[in-house]
Amino acid sequence: KQEVTQIPAALSVPEGENLVLNCSFTDSAIYNLQWFRQDPGKGLTSLLLIQSSQREQTSGRLNASLDKSSGRSTLYIAASQPGDSATYLCAVKEMDSSYKLIFGSGTRLLVRP
Amino acid sequence: EAGVAQSPRYKIIEKRQSVAFWCNPISGHATLYWYQQILGQGPKLLIQFQNNGVVDDSQLPKDRFSAERLKGVDSTLKIQPAKLEDSAVYLCASSLVPGTETNYGYTFGSGTRLTVV
Repeated sequence: KQEVTQIPAALSVPEGENLVLNCSFTDSAIYNLQWFRQDPGKGLTSLLLIQSSQREQTSGRLNASLDKSSGRSTLYIAASQPGDSATYLCAVKEMDSSYKLIFGSGTRLLVRP
Repeated sequence: EAGVAQSPRYKIIEKRQSVAFWCNPISGHATLYWYQQILGQGPKLLIQFQNNGVVDDSQLPKDRFSAERLKGVDSTLKIQPAKLEDSAVYLCASSLVPGTETNYGYTFGSGTRLTVV
């Protein structure tokens, strides 16, 4: 059974710092991996999607990497800003018939001005 | 492109009452998902529809939860009777046919926050 774990559960950093969020998964037979952002009271916004054949994806100040063999992904945020404060969730898409997403519990990020 | 619409945004009910949530996916998205997100946890899939057929409902508590997607478009999720542990945010999402190379992920609605007292 696929399990997704995110470390740390919460993180507080000063503005301008570079930071790394970690995600690990137990079954490497995944279709893809996505990083989402969730603001309080809001739905999920997809940030980056990495196909199983890819190693990394970049969007602006965000860079996500995927190492399928070791079951790990990282989300790198450069030059953090207070507006980056949110919960970040990673999710793997299974390769079974439903292709459902399995989510981690998230990392709650606070960027202090 | 309009997003995934959900209603109501908030609902407070007493235990043992019934409640229903509504979702309107993005036009043309064949796949629709209902997720339950308990406070402090990641979303957990309850049920997945492909058009109007059920693909996966293995984690749906079928003794109290039911869902339907008539005509392969809108969907409703019902809880009857509700328990305290059903307090959560219920998220609806839609996507193009999963497993295709052109599927760049899901679009989520803003969710319905249910509080059972």
